[in-house]
Amino acid sequence: DAKTTQPPSMDCAEGRAANLPCNHSTISGNEYVYWYRQIHSQGPQYIIHGLKNNETNEMASLIITEDRKSSTLILPHATLRDTAVYYCIVRVGSRVGGSEKLVFGKGTKLTVNP
Amino acid sequence: GAGVSQSPSNKVTEKGKDVELRCDPISGHTALYWYRQSLGQGLEFLIYFQGNSAPDKSGLPSDRFSAERTGGSVSTLTIQRTQQEDSAVYLCASSIDRGEKLFFGSGTQLSVL
Repeated sequence: DAKTTQPPSMDCAEGRAANLPCNHSTISGNEYVYWYRQIHSQGPQYIIHGLKNNETNEMASLIITEDRKSSTLILPHATLRDTAVYYCIVRVGSRVGGSEKLVFGKGTKLTVNP
Repeated sequence: GAGVSQSPSNKVTEKGKDVELRCDPISGHTALYWYRQSLGQGLEFLIYFQGNSAPDKSGLPSDRFSAERTGGSVSTLTIQRTQQEDSAVYLCASSIDRGEKLFFGSGTQLSVL
């Protein structure tokens, strides 16, 4: 079973920031938070991951709370092409042995409206 | 190509027939995964290969499903005596090592009539 909880759906206006929450209250000390998204009819796409520090890349920012029990994925300027299902996953990273399979939950269906 | 390649992109078969789905991972990636996604559902883990280790088959739904990975590269997922409930998109992914980020292919849409 997935170890994360996400809202089933969210809406965002084009050009605005999209903030997608994720709860992972049972996360272990060596587990990373990963975010993937799946645009309709495509395979999932990696977005970002982090352990405890906030992370930013060209796609998004990841804010992890100090107790690591929740996180937020931020798309700073959402576009129509960001409409997708966003998956938050916790997983042991490769440096500590790595876990074999990603367990995908149901994710959040983000709809960006014009 | 630079990404994960899957073939065929679409497969229509009759109930009871066997099918083979192919996955070409990114060159140099040691880990390879198969997932399936039924219409409107999330991703269901099927099987995982890591280097020369024994595969993790814990997600295979029945003994009609099998997979192999030859030479640590190409993988084939075989479904024997297909049933209508096998209809789904079968996704393959690879990663450079265990615990690293996954790169997914575009999937094979399997329709069992």
